[in-house]
Amino acid sequence: DIQMTQSPSSLSASVGDRITITCRASQTISNRLNWYQQKPGKAPKVLIYGAATLQSGVPSRFSGSGSGTEFTLTISSLQPEDFGVYYCQQGFSSPRLTFGGGTKVDMK
Amino acid sequence: QVQLVESGGGVVQPGGSRRLSCVASGFLFSTYDMYWVRQPPGKGLEWVSFIKYDGSNKYYEDSLKGRFIISRDNSKNMLYLQMNSLRPEDTAVYYCVRMSVWLRSPMMDVWGQGTTVIVSS
Repeated sequence: DIQMTQSPSSLSASVGDRITITCRASQTISNRLNWYQQKPGKAPKVLIYGAATLQSGVPSRFSGSGSGTEFTLTISSLQPEDFGVYYCQQGFSSPRLTFGGGTKVDMK
Repeated sequence: QVQLVESGGGVVQPGGSRRLSCVASGFLFSTYDMYWVRQPPGKGLEWVSFIKYDGSNKYYEDSLKGRFIISRDNSKNMLYLQMNSLRPEDTAVYYCVRMSVWLRSPMMDVWGQGTTVIVSS
């Protein structure tokens, strides 16, 4: 299976900060990379698919980039509702869609 | 609206069995591939099983070694996960998830609220 590695595993930030989360794949996955956000006690929701396309309804402060094996999720100006855990997921070896270990974003 | 609702979770003894169910509404269930995804307490997400829209193909995470069986009944808009020989490490929230493909990129675009399975004596 394709292994997905996220960094950092956690970060502390303030409202208004720009933050970046990195996701690396163990082999090339083209642009088949999704990002999810999960809040405590809730199911994950998809933010970005195809590495850079925002899911409908997702604020434009979220952006994704990358291809091959290295990808990033950026939040340009962190808002209070953005705190939670973020997961990347590869969509290359469908249907075995493996996730990264997650990045917890909490308040500084 | 588009919705997935799981049921069937609870406490089960090691070695026991449990069947999870998921009812879909608000979309044409019979045309979508579906997943079960689980999340152990305080840990990350792990795909468990996948089934094609028509039930023709099924896949399982390697570590399950034939203990779990996924199925669906498109006439009832239902997805199932039969879990056998349960172990404490199967303790998790289990999510029913819809798969969609956009721009040739598969993603999990609709999630249920989850049902909790606790394997403990």
